Amino acid sequence: GAVVSQHPSRVICKSGTSVKIECRSLDFQATTMFWYRQFPKKSLMLMATSNEGSKATYEQGVEKDKFLINHASLTLSTLTVTSAHPEDSSFYICSARVGGHLDSPLHFGNGTRLTVT
Amino acid sequence: GDSVTQMEGPVTLSEEAFLTINCTYTATGYPSLFWYVQYPGEGLQLLLKATKADDKGSNKGFEATYRKETTSFHLEKGSVQVSDSAVYFCALSGNQAGTALIFGKGTTLSVSS
Repeated sequence: GAVVSQHPSRVICKSGTSVKIECRSLDFQATTMFWYRQFPKKSLMLMATSNEGSKATYEQGVEKDKFLINHASLTLSTLTVTSAHPEDSSFYICSARVGGHLDSPLHFGNGTRLTVT
Repeated sequence: GDSVTQMEGPVTLSEEAFLTINCTYTATGYPSLFWYVQYPGEGLQLLLKATKADDKGSNKGFEATYRKETTSFHLEKGSVQVSDSAVYFCALSGNQAGTALIFGKGTTLSVSS
């Protein structure tokens, strides 16, 4: 089945540094990928929709200058957390849908646990 | 806007007990509905889905029926196992192509032997 690979699975960085998270679709092309953030009480918040070859669409309240998204190819989207702070510590998950049909499920990466010290 | 409401957890059951996790939704049009499962330390995996009213999704002993009249998609399993311990998310698709899924807040299930 469709596989979404996310890397790294865990990262610890110092406050003020930037961290890049990669999301790859391994056996399908994804014109659209989605980035979610998962909070300690498990709720998933959609951060942005990543569109291949164009600018990402950010959800209300998400700082686009802080969470830079690049979707340079049909199989790769990256999320860069710039000037990270402890409050950015979270679990970030990317996802992609095979095909454009709304009844197609999203396939998720295994997530990236970011800890900012 | 569209939304999903799940029962609050945690749900704690003994092995072989019957499981129900309630999920209701609010949406315009006819969304597709999904249940995802997240095991500790992992990402989300699709458990089952239903794309139209009265459809029943099933997988690994879990079932959920798309009920348009009650706008519900409750998850059930007749006999849970310890390995079913995880967080379960109900979700619906948006009505526009390229839109993300909208998730409920998740329900933690803990099964003891």
